[in-house]
Amino acid sequence: DAGITQSPRYKITETGRQVTLMCHQTWSHSYMFWYRQDLGHGLRLIYYSAAADITDKGEVPDGYVVSRSKTENFPLTLESATRSQTSVYFCASSDSNSPLHFGNGTRLTVT
Amino acid sequence: KQEVTQIPAALSVPEGENLVLNCSFTDSAIYNLQWFRQDPGKGLTSLLLIQSSQREQTSGRLNASLDKSSGRSTLYIAASQPGDSATYLCAVGGWVGGKLIFGQGTELSVKP
Repeated sequence: DAGITQSPRYKITETGRQVTLMCHQTWSHSYMFWYRQDLGHGLRLIYYSAAADITDKGEVPDGYVVSRSKTENFPLTLESATRSQTSVYFCASSDSNSPLHFGNGTRLTVT
Repeated sequence: KQEVTQIPAALSVPEGENLVLNCSFTDSAIYNLQWFRQDPGKGLTSLLLIQSSQREQTSGRLNASLDKSSGRSTLYIAASQPGDSATYLCAVGGWVGGKLIFGQGTELSVKP
């Protein structure tokens, strides 16, 4: 089925560990995004990508790394997890004039 | 810097009522505006997308309007149902395919 898939659905990790959140879309959308959602802050953009090998920082990029070697994949890596990165992470994709499509999210807890 | 505000933060209505959710934004130079629905523990589902050149969009019982000059959008829900209970978010985009700036959302509860 066409769509956008995030994995894992839930993740618990320890402070200082590296963790990678995966995102895969089957529409061949050009644009992909990573947001985090926190109570009191709403949805905030971490990184986005306009095409393969083109990425740029969003509002809250510190502590995160992204790559986009293939159009369909956009992994997000937390280089050294901190408790402040406990959040729900959403991946999304779109084309030039299409609505933004979201995955079901990854709930990350950093202990 | 674009800021998006949604009022009220929460709304409870009886089933069958028509209702309006409000969204305001500070910079009128937008490319588009989208309304989303989010159910608890789920991702966001796009409801309506309004391009900057459009005034409104309709889908079933939903109608979204856009007034760029005043920096406002409304989402009208007709004949509300308990299944409409969710958080509704609006978001504005500044350029084609561009990042969206989200409001904090309105949590809607429709009572049977």
